[in-house]
Amino acid sequence: KNEVEQSPQNLTAQEGEFITINCSYSVGISALHWLQQHPGGGIVSLFMLSSGKKKHGRLIATINIQEKHSSLHITASHPRDSAVYICAPYGNNDMRFGAGTRLTVKP
Amino acid sequence: DSGVTQTPKHLITATGQRVTLRCSPRSGDLSVYWYQQSLDQGLQFLIQYYNGEERAKGNILERFSAQQFPDLHSELNLSSLELGDSALYFCASSVDHSRTLHFGNGTRLTVT
Repeated sequence: KNEVEQSPQNLTAQEGEFITINCSYSVGISALHWLQQHPGGGIVSLFMLSSGKKKHGRLIATINIQEKHSSLHITASHPRDSAVYICAPYGNNDMRFGAGTRLTVKP
Repeated sequence: DSGVTQTPKHLITATGQRVTLRCSPRSGDLSVYWYQQSLDQGLQFLIQYYNGEERAKGNILERFSAQQFPDLHSELNLSSLELGDSALYFCASSVDHSRTLHFGNGTRLTVT
């Protein structure tokens, strides 16, 4: 079993839909990062969470440390949100990565 | 623009060769991280430096080494290159390990 499991692997949505991407991990962590990687390859850090919930624009990230689970939500999705979203738990001076969720938002 | 600069953008070399990848962190960031992204393994953490000192080691091969210089820029040295080393190599920086990461655009290494 992978230490970091993301679901779904692929997601296609219509513009305006509410999106949820899930991340479960088995390692102990001090923080969890959500990353966005666009088709060109560049990576942007969206959130770093150690507890609770964070919001930035249409993006919301939550984490439950006890359940070892985090979710990334996108409200009112837009074609420009099309990218690969990667969760990356960090702990014990090590960072693991999920395999990523490829999101395609159609107009 | 993340403020993190990686050079070169692309590198093509032959098996057995040695290459050096360079990373200039965002101004004020003391931590530098190196990651490898290959098609079969996904993203992997290689190594972290903080203010010139090695802070953490991930899945870094013995053929690979890194250092962070007094001006805080970092270099990743890859030697005895194999076909399987072909990948995107990303550098990221942060103020410290508990803060947001800022990624460079990556160096695409192709080993032929």
